[in-house]
Amino acid sequence: TQLLEQSPQFLSIQEGENLTVYCNSSSVFSSLQWYRQEPGEGPVLLVTVVTGGEVKKLKRLTFQFGDARKDSSLHITAAQPGDTGLYLCAAYTGGFKTIFGAGTRLFVKA
Amino acid sequence: DAGVIQSPRHEVTEMGQEVTLRCKPISGHDYLFWYRQTMMRGLELLIYFNNNVPIDDSGMPEDRFSAKMPNASFSTLKIQPSEPRDSAVYFCASKQGAANIQYFGAGTRLSVL
Repeated sequence: TQLLEQSPQFLSIQEGENLTVYCNSSSVFSSLQWYRQEPGEGPVLLVTVVTGGEVKKLKRLTFQFGDARKDSSLHITAAQPGDTGLYLCAAYTGGFKTIFGAGTRLFVKA
Repeated sequence: DAGVIQSPRHEVTEMGQEVTLRCKPISGHDYLFWYRQTMMRGLELLIYFNNNVPIDDSGMPEDRFSAKMPNASFSTLKIQPSEPRDSAVYFCASKQGAANIQYFGAGTRLSVL
């Protein structure tokens, strides 16, 4: 069974702090995705990483795909209250079936 | 475009009743996905369609669950009879073509009492 394990499960930080969340698996994936979900809404795709070692930046967010394509990280610089939400990693498992990690719930205090 | 539209946003029903959740995908999208999200199990794929045809329903928990897509602009997920353990947020998502960029609706929060 292919699983995506995310850590930490919950993170509460002050505005301006930096943080990193992780997504790990024992399986190799052709790509990994990161979504953000706000309360009462559906997940919204942030980024897709497809090449081992790839680094993508989206403003204050930096995404990295592991060299072996089994893991990924999301780093947020100078977190803001607007970054609060549930961060989910996801991967294709075949066809267009997508599995999701359990998520990291981030709360940024002003 | 209005995005993926789901209705109702909230549904409260009693155990044993039939529940129908509705989804309108983004116009032009040829894939439609139904997911269920709970605290215990996270976000799980139930079934997905391509060009209105069910492709993979291996995530449907049991025969009480059924999904249809009678045309390109409408899909339903039905639970009959409903049970308290079906309480969850159900999401519909759609995408176009081979690229895996799924657009999610706002979800239906189902409570079965």
